[in-house]
Amino acid sequence: AQSVAQPEDQVNVAEGNPLTVKCTYSVSGNPYLFWYVQYPNRGLQFLLKYITGDNLVKGSYGFEAEFNKSQTSFHLKKPSALVSDSALYFCAVRDNTGANNLFFGTGTRLTVIP
Amino acid sequence: ETGVTQTPRHLVMGMTNKKSLKCEQHLGHNAMYWYKQSAKKPLELMFVYSLEERVENNSVPSRFSPECPNSSHLFLHLHTLQPEDSALYLCASSQDPPANRMGEQYFGPGTRLTVT
Repeated sequence: AQSVAQPEDQVNVAEGNPLTVKCTYSVSGNPYLFWYVQYPNRGLQFLLKYITGDNLVKGSYGFEAEFNKSQTSFHLKKPSALVSDSALYFCAVRDNTGANNLFFGTGTRLTVIP
Repeated sequence: ETGVTQTPRHLVMGMTNKKSLKCEQHLGHNAMYWYKQSAKKPLELMFVYSLEERVENNSVPSRFSPECPNSSHLFLHLHTLQPEDSALYLCASSQDPPANRMGEQYFGPGTRLTVT
């Protein structure tokens, strides 16, 4: 069965510092991995995805994520955090069996401190 | 957000009421989804429609009834809900190409439902 784990409920980082939001996954076959961000009173917004190819994926707002097959991880990163990056971040996985489902983690709340 | 819209944004209903949530996508997608978002829990996929046919129903209680009259519209009909059904209900859509390329889902802003 597919699943995603986000081990940290909360991540705090100072503005200008690099940030990492962690995600590990479990899936049969090759994974399709996604990161979404949710701002207050808003729906989820797509940030980036890994389907195949280069393990380092670049996405919106300067975010990137690195796919690591041996560690079954897909951590979200940004070199320099902004206060406006403060939000709830969700990792999701979808397998390649043709099903339409995304399996989401519980979310990590990122707070960037000015 | 003009891609996927949801109405109403907030809804308070009693346990004996009947109400409906509406979702509309303006992206030309061929699949639509209902999710339930509760605090400190993963998003729960409730229903999936692909090409207007229901392809997934994750053991959702019958007090939730989806309807997809066309590829742009999705409804969630609510009847005799329980207080534990209070949550944020999110609609999403995607364009699903052939199986070896998966498209991302685009979400609406959600309906905040409170059952009293």
